Amino acid sequence: EPEVTQTPSHQVTQMGQEVILRCVPISNHLYFYWYRQILGQKVEFLVSFYNNEISEKSEIFDDQFSVERPDGSNFTLKIRSTKLEDSAMYFCASSVGYGLSYNEQFFGPGTRLTVL
Amino acid sequence: SQQGEEDPQALSIQEGENATMNCSYKTSINNLQWYRQNSGRGLVHLILIRSNEREKHSGRLRVTLDTSKKSSSLLITASRAADTASYFCATDAGPGGGADGLTFGKGTHLIIQP
Repeated sequence: EPEVTQTPSHQVTQMGQEVILRCVPISNHLYFYWYRQILGQKVEFLVSFYNNEISEKSEIFDDQFSVERPDGSNFTLKIRSTKLEDSAMYFCASSVGYGLSYNEQFFGPGTRLTVL
Repeated sequence: SQQGEEDPQALSIQEGENATMNCSYKTSINNLQWYRQNSGRGLVHLILIRSNEREKHSGRLRVTLDTSKKSSSLLITASRAADTASYFCATDAGPGGGADGLTFGKGTHLIIQP
């Protein structure tokens, strides 16, 4: 069964450093998403992406964040200058984008980001 | 209450019993989805129910949706130890396009005692 994959599973970085989190969405899906979950808190929506541009973003997704689909399979989230409060589990998700269950979102296993 | 708020926060039952979790939300929605998360792991999609549906089944799962009460319930029948996890409801309350982000609740932590 196709699934969303994410790399790395765990990333440790120093405050102020740039990190890139990688995701491979399900191959026939058209919409891609990033969410984060700070330890012990709710899963929060960051951004959605379609047709090579951002479709929707939350207040959390400020100028230090960016997303990109550099090729036909990968979808990345870049954090330019990490802060301690960026420590969280980051989830990538994808959805087919059409049909009755167009927004059924399937999540990857997550990347745990630790900022020191 | 906040959009997508589950209750109870924690539930402990004996293996073989049924487990019921509830979710309430505030705004009108396009659909509501339930997810499972094992400790420290990813989110597993369980079921999606659209706003014009009232009940949906998938294996041992039964989901109901009452849009007049803005609430949903997830029933797991004949629970197993492997069902121990946190369960989240997530609502799509966006404009209805495929790019809508989901709003998650805090989840119900379900423990199945062997």
